[in-house]
Amino acid sequence: GQNIDQPTEMTATEGAIVQINCTYQTSGFNGLFWYQQHAGEAPTFLSYNVLDGLEEKGRFSSFLSRSKGYSYLLLKELQMKDSASYLCAVRDETGGYNKLIFGAGTRLAVHP
Amino acid sequence: GAVVSQHPSRVICKSGTSVKIECRSLDFQATTMFWYRQFPKQSLMLMATSNEGSKATYEQGVEKDKFLINHASLTLSTLTVTSAHPEDSSFYICSARDPGLAGLNTQYFGPGTRLTVL
Repeated sequence: GQNIDQPTEMTATEGAIVQINCTYQTSGFNGLFWYQQHAGEAPTFLSYNVLDGLEEKGRFSSFLSRSKGYSYLLLKELQMKDSASYLCAVRDETGGYNKLIFGAGTRLAVHP
Repeated sequence: GAVVSQHPSRVICKSGTSVKIECRSLDFQATTMFWYRQFPKQSLMLMATSNEGSKATYEQGVEKDKFLINHASLTLSTLTVTSAHPEDSSFYICSARDPGLAGLNTQYFGPGTRLTVL
């Protein structure tokens, strides 16, 4: 089966750094995505990891360890507009076709 | 980045009626589109995978006769909620896979449709 776990809620201070963890179990893993979703809006793509290691893109970085089934999203220099839900999604290729399986999301609140 | 549109953005209907939601990829051709449903404060749940020119693949527990999917062209997929009931009220989001980004196959999401069934 498939299982993706991430914390439900996190809070952080403007200007700080926050790390959102995600652990997963899936039989047909072929990549991990992070999306940002503001309330009432569709998710927007943040990052993609398929090999172990760190991918950096501006203030956002994402890390993957396939052997541990673990990823994190690192947000630096937090801004108020970063308050949103962050969704960890695993691309699963079980059954010969691939699809994204989403975690429940982590609601991040950034305070002044 | 790739743009996916969805129409309508909001719909309110009476119980028992059918509602059609359109999903379009505006600047790329999408052989595969996905339909998700999201209840308040919950994550996206995949309902079905829509393949151009063939039948959709439904996830376990999703009634294919209730949620009709048609993917008639490389830029359009439609989801019809038939005989809608209040428990079908939800945020429906489509996504399209852009094969143009080499090896990435990133999914881009439409803005979503808020369905309220009275």
